[in-house]
Amino acid sequence: DGGITQSPKYLFRKEGQNVTLSCEQNLNHDAMYWYRQDPGQGLRLIYYSQIVNDFQKGDIAEGYSVSREKKESFPLTVTSAQKNPTAFYLCASSTRQTPYSNQPQHFGDGTRLSIL
Amino acid sequence: QKEVEQNSGPLSVPEGAIASLNCTYSDRGSQSFFWYRQYSGKSPELIMSIYSNGDKEDGRFTAQLNKASQYVSLLIRDSQPSDSATYLCAVPNQAGTALIFGKGTTLSVSS
Repeated sequence: DGGITQSPKYLFRKEGQNVTLSCEQNLNHDAMYWYRQDPGQGLRLIYYSQIVNDFQKGDIAEGYSVSREKKESFPLTVTSAQKNPTAFYLCASSTRQTPYSNQPQHFGDGTRLSIL
Repeated sequence: QKEVEQNSGPLSVPEGAIASLNCTYSDRGSQSFFWYRQYSGKSPELIMSIYSNGDKEDGRFTAQLNKASQYVSLLIRDSQPSDSATYLCAVPNQAGTALIFGKGTTLSVSS
């Protein structure tokens, strides 16, 4: 079955530690996205990528980094510079977006990150 | 910066009633609109896409788009307890490269 796989489901970070969240898709989608959701809040865009080897900062990129070396994979690293990392992290993918053709995004099951 | 506004709720309706969820957006140029459903502790799930003025129906769900007034609505007919969730409205960002989400409206359907 095609879909988006995020791992791990739960992750704990120690102070000063970098952690990496995995996102893999087999939908053959060009575009991939990372969002952060805090309790009672909407989704805020961290980074997105429309093609391999290219990615753009979203609204809250500080303290995060990404890579897009393969079409299927878009890992997110939460660095020690992100002082409030506790949140629900959601990865999504879609066909490539243009200003004239906007397609819906499909989400993985998410990763819950907490500070130890 | 585009904005998407939703009433956070909770919106409470009895089983079998029509639930009406509303979303307003700031950019008159927006062409695409999406409704997602998110159960507590789960990820969002796409339930409706709408691209042109008027109504789009899919089963018990109807999306209504009014570009002149810059709002998009989601109607849920014959509401069921299983419809209890948070409903997120989303529109493309300025560059058309990602989606901007509203904070969502929480719907509670009582049996």
